[in-house]
Amino acid sequence: GQNIDQPTEMTATEGAIVQINCTYQTSGFNGLFWYQQHAGEAPTFLSYNVLDGLEEKGRFSSFLSRSKGYSYLLLKELQMKDSASYLCAVRNAGNNRKLIWGLGTSLAVNP
Amino acid sequence: ETGVTQTPRHLVMGMTNKKSLKCEQHLGHNAMYWYKQSAKKPLELMFVYSLEERVENNSVPSRFSPECPNSSHLFLHLHTLQPEDSALYLCASSQEAGDNEQFFGPGTRLTVL
Repeated sequence: GQNIDQPTEMTATEGAIVQINCTYQTSGFNGLFWYQQHAGEAPTFLSYNVLDGLEEKGRFSSFLSRSKGYSYLLLKELQMKDSASYLCAVRNAGNNRKLIWGLGTSLAVNP
Repeated sequence: ETGVTQTPRHLVMGMTNKKSLKCEQHLGHNAMYWYKQSAKKPLELMFVYSLEERVENNSVPSRFSPECPNSSHLFLHLHTLQPEDSALYLCASSQEAGDNEQFFGPGTRLTVL
């Protein structure tokens, strides 16, 4: 079967660094995505990894290891506005390029 | 209007009602999607349209009927729904089907009584 696992909830302190992990087992792989979703709002795209390694974009970085079926999202210099749900999604390979989504990790940033 | 818009934002309907959800994208994209987001469940892809042609239908019950009259508009027609269909229905678009980045609308919060 296909499965995406990520922690349900995490808490962190303003100004700190937090790492949100995602592991996946899918029938094919053509990229991994991270989306941010604030409560009551639309998911917004954060990052895309298709090759192994770290992709950095400002305070957010995303890492991928295809051999381990593993990714993480790293958030630095946390701000209160980073409190949100972070969704990990894997895209299948081939003609069926749909996204398989995780349940999301609810991050609470405390002062 | 910019991005992806959805109307209505909230909808309460009885099991015998017929209603429609509307999505409009102002991004010039060729692909549009309907997703269902339920509590404690991952996002579920329902339908994918590419250039007004349905390219994906993930075993969605026939009480959900999509319509894509042009590449900017997408509808989801609802009839004889069940309480378990209560969820957040999200519309998204991308330049092409399967593209890296999807742009989501704010969703319609649907409650079926």
